[in-house]
Amino acid sequence: DQQVKQNSPSLSVQEGRISILNCDYTNSMFDYFLWYKKYPAEGPTFLISISSIKDKNEDGRFTVFLNKSAKHLSLHIVPSQPGDSAVYFCAASARGNNRLAFGKGNQVVVIP
Amino acid sequence: SQTIHQWPATLVQPVGSPLSLECTVEGTSNPNLYWYRQAAGRGLQLLFYSVGIGQISSEVPQNLSASRPQDRQFILSSKKLLLSDSGFYLCACRTSGTTGEQFFGPGTRLTVL
Repeated sequence: DQQVKQNSPSLSVQEGRISILNCDYTNSMFDYFLWYKKYPAEGPTFLISISSIKDKNEDGRFTVFLNKSAKHLSLHIVPSQPGDSAVYFCAASARGNNRLAFGKGNQVVVIP
Repeated sequence: SQTIHQWPATLVQPVGSPLSLECTVEGTSNPNLYWYRQAAGRGLQLLFYSVGIGQISSEVPQNLSASRPQDRQFILSSKKLLLSDSGFYLCACRTSGTTGEQFFGPGTRLTVL
């Protein structure tokens, strides 16, 4: 049972424009959410996170928005750069749980 | 900050052969350790996690096993590989007592022929 879902598996965006990645979750116990970026043949790298007590967290070009009532979060990248071309994974965890639940990932291609 | 080492980086093995993948962690003590597999076109599947030496939790029934002989060493093994064991294997760690970030190693690409 997929507790974290990322639809629209691929996204193409022009350099300089905004990339928006969406993620939905089903487990109401999740209280911490993360985004990872992954290049081919490398391990994922942590990008940004948000706690359930917030609805927005911003770090440079990356902003994560959380809508708890809709069980939905999104990652905005603006402006998009060619180096942002990668697979992005959404992940979630519940308090006291050692594990992360990952989505299947979104492929982002930034066109120069 | 922690550094995660995995080896080998790539591995090609015949069906039925044994497997041993090693992960070591530097820069942290008593971490939680994790093994994930990413199959082609799929997401990250958690295989095993460990909260301490000798403590292993298995997430899915499978052909693989894990061991944690030392605090910062995590080993993934198989006695007989199957074709379906092919994939990209990732070791991750999380410093105990922190919030949820896990940090990943560089991965091992395993191809079973």
